[in-house]
Amino acid sequence: AQRVTQPEKLLSVFKGAPVELKCNYSYSGSPELFWYVQYSRQRLQLLLRHISRESIKGFTADLNKGETSFHLKKPFAQEEDSAMYYCALSAVKNAGNMLTFGGGTRLMVKP
Amino acid sequence: GAGVSQSPSNKVTEKGKDVELRCDPISGHTALYWYRQRLGQGLEFLIYFQGNSAPDKSGLPSDRFSAERTGESVSTLTIQRTQQEDSAVYLCASSLRRTSGFSTDTQYFGPGTRLTVL
Repeated sequence: AQRVTQPEKLLSVFKGAPVELKCNYSYSGSPELFWYVQYSRQRLQLLLRHISRESIKGFTADLNKGETSFHLKKPFAQEEDSAMYYCALSAVKNAGNMLTFGGGTRLMVKP
Repeated sequence: GAGVSQSPSNKVTEKGKDVELRCDPISGHTALYWYRQRLGQGLEFLIYFQGNSAPDKSGLPSDRFSAERTGESVSTLTIQRTQQEDSAVYLCASSLRRTSGFSTDTQYFGPGTRLTVL
């Protein structure tokens, strides 16, 4: 069975500071990893996925299979980055491709 | 275009009553998922529909939970004899298709239904 762990429930930083939201996973096969974000009073939406290797809104995440991690990083946090962030895993061979989510990290960026 | 919609947005019910939650997926999306999010926790998978295939019910927590979907349209999640531990936000998501062995299609989420069981 797969599992996703986000060790920090709350992360508070000042504007302009670097941000790293941690995500660790356990899965014996080949997973796909995602970061979803939920801004205040908005619905959950995809931020980025590891196979795309993109930088979205200045965020990047690298899949480290050796450490089974998929940490989300941004060099300079902005106030508009304040939101709930969820790391999620999809077992590619899973017939349903349903997502397994971590518990979420609330990022607060202070002015 | 229109995203995933869910109704009602809020539902307050008494313990023991049945509730029905509705999800309208994005038009053309063949895959539909239901998740539950309890307060302060991540999302838990409940059930998955893909086209006309038999649904994957592996995430349903008890036989009080059931869901239906007609073709590739609306889905309803029914909770019978509700309990206080059923209080949560119920989220629906849809995706264009299921791709086996390749990348996972992006799931688009609805706004959720907040269920409170008194």
